[in-house]
Amino acid sequence: DTEVTQTPKHLVMGMTNKKSLKCEQHMGHRAMYWYKQKAKKPPELMFVYSYEKLSINESVPSRFSPECPNSSLLNLHLHALQPEDSALYLCASSQGGRAYEQYFGPGTRLTVT
Amino acid sequence: AQKVTQAQTEISVVEKEDVTLDCVYETRDTTYYLFWYKQPPSGELVFLIRRNSFDEQNEISGRYSWNFQKSTSSFNFTITASQVVDSAVYFCALSEEVGETSGSRLTFGEGTQLTVNP
Repeated sequence: DTEVTQTPKHLVMGMTNKKSLKCEQHMGHRAMYWYKQKAKKPPELMFVYSYEKLSINESVPSRFSPECPNSSLLNLHLHALQPEDSALYLCASSQGGRAYEQYFGPGTRLTVT
Repeated sequence: AQKVTQAQTEISVVEKEDVTLDCVYETRDTTYYLFWYKQPPSGELVFLIRRNSFDEQNEISGRYSWNFQKSTSSFNFTITASQVVDSAVYFCALSEEVGETSGSRLTFGEGTQLTVNP
């Protein structure tokens, strides 16, 4: 099973709202990722978790707050977002280092109004 | 720094035509890993293939084939007898380790939008 699930599929939120995106994998992968993808662009890496610890933060604004409660779950907490944060947010997981492919979830399409 | 170039922004073909998507990469690593992903309109990136730098054998999977040429730093993808369901954005990517922990950073090309018309 190479499935990564994400909820919700779609999210519309105001600039003052607080919401969370959820991601889950049951492949026993050690690394989990959050990406942001704007239309007609490749995904941009936001965060990398390795063994449930944050290992990479690609200078993401603090209004995005990741959390890894356990090895299967990854959350992205959103607060005070801007309209330019509207995008497709993708979660991925992998067995480990660069030799391994990343498996992506279906994404959450976020609209900030 | 690593770089992946997909010079073809959009390709349009008629069903049953063969089509090749180009990918050229730059890296200073002697060992490296390349990937192709498919992104249909639904949005999910689907992993297609991984290739490491020390295995130059070409690979075929059904209608899909990949041509890896280290001498030209290219990793091209060919779809034979294309079908409407092949319509998607295709990304080529190069991975790098992120520190001493597990995990990797993918450098993606800009992607090629393939449209297969009936």
